[in-house]
Amino acid sequence: GESVGLHLPTLSVQEGDNSIINCAYSNSASDYFIWYKQESGKGPQFIIDIRSNMDKRQGQRVTVLLNKTVKHLSLQIAATQPGDSAVYFCAENKDSSYKLIFGSGTRLLVRP
Amino acid sequence: EPEVTQTPSHQVTQMGQEVILRCVPISNHLYFYWYRQILGQKVEFLVSFYNNEISEKSEIFDDQFSVERPDGSNFTLKIRSTKLEDSAMYFCASSPSGGEQFFGPGTRLTVL
Repeated sequence: GESVGLHLPTLSVQEGDNSIINCAYSNSASDYFIWYKQESGKGPQFIIDIRSNMDKRQGQRVTVLLNKTVKHLSLQIAATQPGDSAVYFCAENKDSSYKLIFGSGTRLLVRP
Repeated sequence: EPEVTQTPSHQVTQMGQEVILRCVPISNHLYFYWYRQILGQKVEFLVSFYNNEISEKSEIFDDQFSVERPDGSNFTLKIRSTKLEDSAMYFCASSPSGGEQFFGPGTRLTVL
């Protein structure tokens, strides 16, 4: 079936450290993946995406890694800041479908 | 920077009443979506809309739900007879090409 899940519900990191948030997906037909950040009371905010023909993509302070062999997606945040504190969701999409399938989320807490 | 807007931010209604949630997608986007998020749970896809018709819907989107794009800017979600379990955050999203989806701030629906 289709499922996107996150390994850790809460991740606590020291300000300035790097954060790694992981996600597993089960649908090998998925070919597009997105990471979203959701702050309390707000809608999901796009962070970075990656297509299945890539295994790494970098943005500003963020990197997404895709391992299709083990169906694993990760989000790396460099030099984590207090403003990075939020819930992070991975989402997957198949080219033949319009919908995004969201994972259950990981809460990132940044310690000062 | 253009963004998706939603009104109202909070809607309280009695069970059995009809509600209409409103969204203004980003102009020049062609794909529109509704998602919901029950408190503490993952974001769930409801429906996608393209070229003035529903392109995909989930099993949640039953006969009590409908969507409409009444003019060139608004995109609405109607729930005909609300149930207690419809209480959730409802997010509208839009996309220029069916890939990257941009979410609005959400409408919190409370059914009493």
